[in-house]
Amino acid sequence: EVQLVESGGGLVQPGGSLRLSCAVSGFIFRSNWMSWVRQTPGKGLEWVASINQDGAKILYVESVKGRFTISRDNAQNSLYLQMDSMRAEDTAIYYCATLKNYGMEVWGQGTTVTVSS
Amino acid sequence: DVQLTQSPSFLSASVGDRVTITCRASQGINNLLAWYQQRPGKAPKLLIYAASTLQSGVPSRFSGSGSGTEFTLTISSLQSEDFATYYCQQLNTYPVTFGPGTKVDI
Repeated sequence: EVQLVESGGGLVQPGGSLRLSCAVSGFIFRSNWMSWVRQTPGKGLEWVASINQDGAKILYVESVKGRFTISRDNAQNSLYLQMDSMRAEDTAIYYCATLKNYGMEVWGQGTTVTVSS
Repeated sequence: DVQLTQSPSFLSASVGDRVTITCRASQGINNLLAWYQQRPGKAPKLLIYAASTLQSGVPSRFSGSGSGTEFTLTISSLQSEDFATYYCQQLNTYPVTFGPGTKVDI
């Protein structure tokens, strides 16, 4: 069974840091582009970042550039999102998902991040 | 950035109804448009990709059409499990963007 399981969410103060993880099983992780997508009630679904199979190509939405870092460990079948200098507007449910050129085929269940003092 | 708009934003329907949702892009996206269904408390689920290709395992009552900048998702006969929010997404240009969603409710 294909499974993506996010972890690492929680409450963090503005300016703080958090590292999200996504553990993958049931498919060949190293063959897939991966993405992080977040969802808030106010802004809906927002693509955050993507990384290619070997980590050589990385893309970010403008609002997180310089603050968030996407990475992967193919040996551990894991995807990560390091979030620094966090802001209230980063509060969201964060999903990891596989990325094909035609769509995001498999999604995790999401992990909730709250940025608040 | 490519902006996506959806209409309607809310749709009230009954089981058995034919439902159509429209997604418009601010520029051409080479038909690299996907549709997702999201039930409350769950992750989005890919339904349609490349504007009209049904994802494996998705019931045939779902269909997609369109080209250029205007696309539609049609549910031919609404079932109880189809009451959810539907999003379009373009993957032609980064940043990848999503529409604001259409909630289908009773």
